[in-house]
Amino acid sequence: TQLLEQSPQFLSIQEGENLTVYCNSSSVFSSLQWYRQEPGEGPVLLVTVVTGGEVKKLKRLTFQFGDARKDSSLHITAAQPGDTGLYLCAGENSGGYNKLIFGAGTRLAVHP
Amino acid sequence: KAGVTQTPRYLIKTRGQQVTLSCSPISGHRSVSWYQQTPGQGLQFLFEYFSETQRNKGNFPGRFSGRQFSNSRSEMNVSTLELGDSALYLCASSLVPRGSTDTQYFGPGTRLTVL
Repeated sequence: TQLLEQSPQFLSIQEGENLTVYCNSSSVFSSLQWYRQEPGEGPVLLVTVVTGGEVKKLKRLTFQFGDARKDSSLHITAAQPGDTGLYLCAGENSGGYNKLIFGAGTRLAVHP
Repeated sequence: KAGVTQTPRYLIKTRGQQVTLSCSPISGHRSVSWYQQTPGQGLQFLFEYFSETQRNKGNFPGRFSGRQFSNSRSEMNVSTLELGDSALYLCASSLVPRGSTDTQYFGPGTRLTVL
């Protein structure tokens, strides 16, 4: 069974601080996606990383896919209250039909 | 362009009852996936439909079933409800079946509470 472990589970920080969220697995994924989910809404895709070692930047967010395509990280610089939400990583396998496997999520609270 | 819509948004049922949830994908999207989200288990894949055919299924009991209509709208049904079925049920649509470069768009979910 493929599993994705996210850490930390909860993160409470002050506005302006930096943070990193990790997503780890013992399995190889063909791609990995990061989502943000706000209360009462469905997850919204932030980025998809496909190539081992790939780094993508989205304003203050930096996403990295591990060389072996088993892990990923999300780094937020100078966090703002608007970054508050549940961050989910999801890995896609390529064996047969594609399925998305989600991590349990990191709940981030950024206080003004 | 309208997003993914799910109805109803909230539902309260009692144990033993059955429930049907509906999902309308983004116009032009032909693939619909269903997920269950709970605090303990997180987001878990239920099944995926494309062109009215189930392409993929997660590890859920047979009480969970679904279907897709010719207009790509999808329904999922849960029979003989159990307390543990209380969850947020999310529907996601994409243009084509899930692929590494494809993007799926989630609806707001249906919050099901089983008493």
